[in-house]
Amino acid sequence: NAGVTQTPKFRVLKTGQSMTLLCAQDMNHEYMYWYRQDPGMGLRLIHYSVGEGTTAKGEVPDGYNVSRLKKQNFLLGLESAAPSQTSVYFCASSLAGGGNQPQHFGDGTRLSIL
Amino acid sequence: TQLLEQSPQFLSIQEGENLTVYCNSSSVFSSLQWYRQEPGEGPVLLVTVVTGGEVKKLKRLTFQFGDARKDSSLHITAAQPGDTGLYLCAGAGLSNTGKLIFGQGTTLQVKP
Repeated sequence: NAGVTQTPKFRVLKTGQSMTLLCAQDMNHEYMYWYRQDPGMGLRLIHYSVGEGTTAKGEVPDGYNVSRLKKQNFLLGLESAAPSQTSVYFCASSLAGGGNQPQHFGDGTRLSIL
Repeated sequence: TQLLEQSPQFLSIQEGENLTVYCNSSSVFSSLQWYRQEPGEGPVLLVTVVTGGEVKKLKRLTFQFGDARKDSSLHITAAQPGDTGLYLCAGAGLSNTGKLIFGQGTTLQVKP
């Protein structure tokens, strides 16, 4: 069972470069999320989507854009990468939005901005 | 802005010891989820507590939701090296947006 798949797993960028992180889920989940994880700060929500064609800002959206053109895919874009965006990025999905809904996570993308 | 303070941040204990991890907030949550994360992997859900005062047990792990739904604790009895990992609490707000507020995490090391 694939669950949530993130690509790429690792990437090194130079300041100012752009890139797109891809998240794919095969569980027919409505909700999808992008988080970043930094040491000592837990996970912080960047953007999320409550269904195909919808996106919304999370806690730390600046410098990132997202798109959800297909239900199974959620893309995270960095238009002009900055060293402060060096982090581990996690995608997650959930069946619905209730507080008792578990979120299923991918294994992360480790991104370094030089 | 809702915040979830998790403590301690680091814990190194010997096999067989007991430990408790705390998550505290001034905000009310509709539910509180606990996740465990291994190096190089994403978090995996351990349990969800929904009702104030609720207690759930998962083998040697006991989870409790505070009566006012503002805090939670994770107690591990007789810790094993296999319990080593990062433990994260996450609170869900009162609206059904699906958004979770995560604590900073507790890195647990259990030495044999």
